[in-house]
Amino acid sequence: DSGVTQTPKHLITATGQRVTLRCSPRSGDLSVYWYQQSLDQGLQFLIQYYNGEERAKGNILERFSAQQFPDLHSELNLSSLELGDSALYFCASSVATVGLAHEQFFGPGTRLTVL
Amino acid sequence: AQKITQTQPGMFVQEKEAVTLDCTYDTSDPSYGLFWYKQPSSGEMIFLIYQGSYDQQNATEGRYSLNFQKARKSANLVISASQLGDSAMYFCAMREFGSARQLTFGSGTQLTVLP
Repeated sequence: DSGVTQTPKHLITATGQRVTLRCSPRSGDLSVYWYQQSLDQGLQFLIQYYNGEERAKGNILERFSAQQFPDLHSELNLSSLELGDSALYFCASSVATVGLAHEQFFGPGTRLTVL
Repeated sequence: AQKITQTQPGMFVQEKEAVTLDCTYDTSDPSYGLFWYKQPSSGEMIFLIYQGSYDQQNATEGRYSLNFQKARKSANLVISASQLGDSAMYFCAMREFGSARQLTFGSGTQLTVLP
């Protein structure tokens, strides 16, 4: 158990809908990262937050947005869903944003299926 | 250009034997870190080992060691005395100091340990 929690574990929805994925980082970790794992794109970085502020953006679509709240939990919002958004979405946390060696601890992931 | 290349989509190894999973990387940043993660069929991402670009010694963690050849830009994972529980997908990842702190992942190698 990494200490990172993600809810829900599974999500099935229809095209055009909007969903919210939730992540609670490990106790003490200020940095949260979101990754998408799909069959065709592999594991891709989406976005990073540090202590409530956005720090980096990767291949995140405009239909997707995220935020980190004062209690450090984070939410990833996916809207106008398309079939291609079906993927495993990971949240990871680390203690800091500086320093190369800080390991990122991954949550169990949310498996999103868009029908 | 691919930043992380894993050329072996699938590998088989006999139980109790050693196996090497290949990873090459591409960066112009002199400061970077290399990570290996294991993803079993259950889906979670498990950190295995880390190597910094300035580390003089190859990293080791139990049965895992990293064969770091900086000039060749390779960071191969060696698993000694393979166990059935080692069957999983293995990802090589890199973090560059000069850019954002996210991990860039390779496409992964599916390792199957045969009894």
